[in-house]
Amino acid sequence: QQQVKQSPQSLIVQKGGISIINCAYENTAFDYFPWYQQFPGKGPALLIAIRPDVSEKKEGRFTISFNKSAKQFSLHIMDSQPGDSATYFCASYTGGGNKLTFGTGTQLKVEL
Amino acid sequence: NAGVTQTPKFRILKIGQSMTLQCTQDMNHNYMYWYRQDPGMGLKLIYYSVGAGITDKGEVPNGYNVSRSTTEDFPLRLELAAPSQTSVYFCASSYRGGTGSLEQYFGPGTRLTVT
Repeated sequence: QQQVKQSPQSLIVQKGGISIINCAYENTAFDYFPWYQQFPGKGPALLIAIRPDVSEKKEGRFTISFNKSAKQFSLHIMDSQPGDSATYFCASYTGGGNKLTFGTGTQLKVEL
Repeated sequence: NAGVTQTPKFRILKIGQSMTLQCTQDMNHNYMYWYRQDPGMGLKLIYYSVGAGITDKGEVPNGYNVSRSTTEDFPLRLELAAPSQTSVYFCASSYRGGTGSLEQYFGPGTRLTVT
């Protein structure tokens, strides 16, 4: 039973463009929403995270937008660079063991 | 600190064989996790532990067992390997304390093929 739906599955963006990845969740008990970045052959690593008491969080070129009423959140990568090419996972925290439920991932490729 | 380390990096098993995937963290984290990652499916939680001696099932525990005798180590045991267990396995750890970060730190993964 999928609790976090992520789209698109893959994304190609030109260098300097904006990459946008969307996620939707079902469980209103979720209260922490991280994004993880994974390079080939490596484990995922935390990129940026947000709590539902704010609608937006920005760290450098990466921004999370959060819409609590729609139960959706998205990752925006501004001025996308070839080094951003990776797989991105959204996730939601369910408490009770610090457990995370992950989306299915978006493979981003930034072309020159 | 080495962070989260996993061994082996790669392994090929025959159907019906058993093996243990090793995971060690040196960050004194109380929470540890095992995930499997299949193409297009994201990461699925197999088992997790909130401290030494305490383990619990995740979303996909069938065919696996775990133990947590120390804070540092969290091995994953595969009994009677099946082709459906072909996957990349990630171990992770996190610290739960007050309102601090909920970040999970991942190891480099073990790529397992069962034939």
